[in-house]
Amino acid sequence: DQQVKQNSPSLSVQEGRISILNCDYTNSMFDYFLWYKKYPAEGPTFLISISSIKDKNEDGRFTVFLNKSAKHLSLHIVPSQPGDSAVYFCAASVDKIIFGKGTRLHILP
Amino acid sequence: GAGVSQSPSNKVTEKGKDVELRCDPISGHTALYWYRQRLGQGLEFLIYFQGNSAPDKSGLPSDRFSAERTGESVSTLTIQRTQQEDSAVYLCASSLAWAGHNEQFFGPGTRLTVL
Repeated sequence: DQQVKQNSPSLSVQEGRISILNCDYTNSMFDYFLWYKKYPAEGPTFLISISSIKDKNEDGRFTVFLNKSAKHLSLHIVPSQPGDSAVYFCAASVDKIIFGKGTRLHILP
Repeated sequence: GAGVSQSPSNKVTEKGKDVELRCDPISGHTALYWYRQRLGQGLEFLIYFQGNSAPDKSGLPSDRFSAERTGESVSTLTIQRTQQEDSAVYLCASSLAWAGHNEQFFGPGTRLTVL
């Protein structure tokens, strides 16, 4: 039973455009949400997070939106850059952190 | 300072053998986690250590899997009688405290291949 779902295995976006990565969750008890980025042969690195009491958190080119009624969050990257090509994991926590399967983002030149 | 390190980076073993994977967390991090990522899958939680508290072993898939941590330092994940389905990348992460609200720092992982 997947509590955190990333339904798009991959996404291709033109350099300079907006990348939108989506994540759905089922457990309404989750109180914190995080995004991690992973390059090949490296461990994931923390990108941005949001508390369940907020609906938006912004950090430079990265913005995370949380829609609790829809149990949905999204990560917006604008403008997209070649170095953003990576796998992005959505994660949610209550007593432990649950990760999604990841979405591979390709930034096209 | 140094990040989280894991060894070996790659391990190939025969079915039925035991393997031991090592994780060196960031100094001062009280929380340590083990995850595994099978091909095409997400990060699967295995076990969590927090200070001197009893570890949360709820993610260990079978009794062939065990982990230990010495104080707030090195941790070892042991898989006994390895099976082909154990093939995965095993990732270790550490954080200052319970990482629900604290950033986890991941190591590069150990790629385990069971033949």
